[in-house]
Amino acid sequence: AQSVTQLDSQVPVFEEAPVELRCNYSSSVSVYLFWYVQYPNQGLQLLLKYLSGSTLVESINGFEAEFNKSQTSFHLRKPSVHISDTAEYFCAVRAMYSSASKIIFGSGTRLSIRP
Amino acid sequence: DVKVTQSSRYLVKRTGEKVFLECVQDMDHENMFWYRQDPGLGLRLIYFSYDVKMKEKGDIPEGYSVSREKKERFSLILESASTNQTSMYLCASIAGQVGNQPQHFGDGTRLSIL
Repeated sequence: AQSVTQLDSQVPVFEEAPVELRCNYSSSVSVYLFWYVQYPNQGLQLLLKYLSGSTLVESINGFEAEFNKSQTSFHLRKPSVHISDTAEYFCAVRAMYSSASKIIFGSGTRLSIRP
Repeated sequence: DVKVTQSSRYLVKRTGEKVFLECVQDMDHENMFWYRQDPGLGLRLIYFSYDVKMKEKGDIPEGYSVSREKKERFSLILESASTNQTSMYLCASIAGQVGNQPQHFGDGTRLSIL
């Protein structure tokens, strides 16, 4: 079985400051890793994913996440945030090689940007 | 682009009513899911389906049932609504059996049970 821990329920930062949203997971098998974003009054959208290869993955809006197998982490970072990044962010894992496997979500981190 | 459509954005029902939440996806995805989202608890899986007429219980199936008569449609049913089922409900779909595909979500239904 898999589990996901997002260590911070809320992260307030000032506009143009850097941010890191932390995610740790546990699993007895290899997993795929995802970050989803939920803007107010909307469903979740995929932000980025790690499947294999380079451990650093990037999104189109400047976020990046690094897969660290030894620390079982997949932290999300952005060097300079914008007001429009205000949202809730969910880390998720899904087991490889498992048919009809579920995606396991963390409890979410609410990112609030102060002008 | 994949579209997952939930029939209602907001719904208000009374205790004891039978409530239907509908979800339709347009990309011929095999797998569909129903979650509820509550503050501080993230997303909790209620039920999922990996084929027509197939269903599997998720982590919190009590008080809910589902129906999947057609591939594109997955319905969540609250047999007798209770106030503790007031929540945001999210439907999602995913292609195939391989784990590297992300889920696609609808915009959610905010359900209030009075």
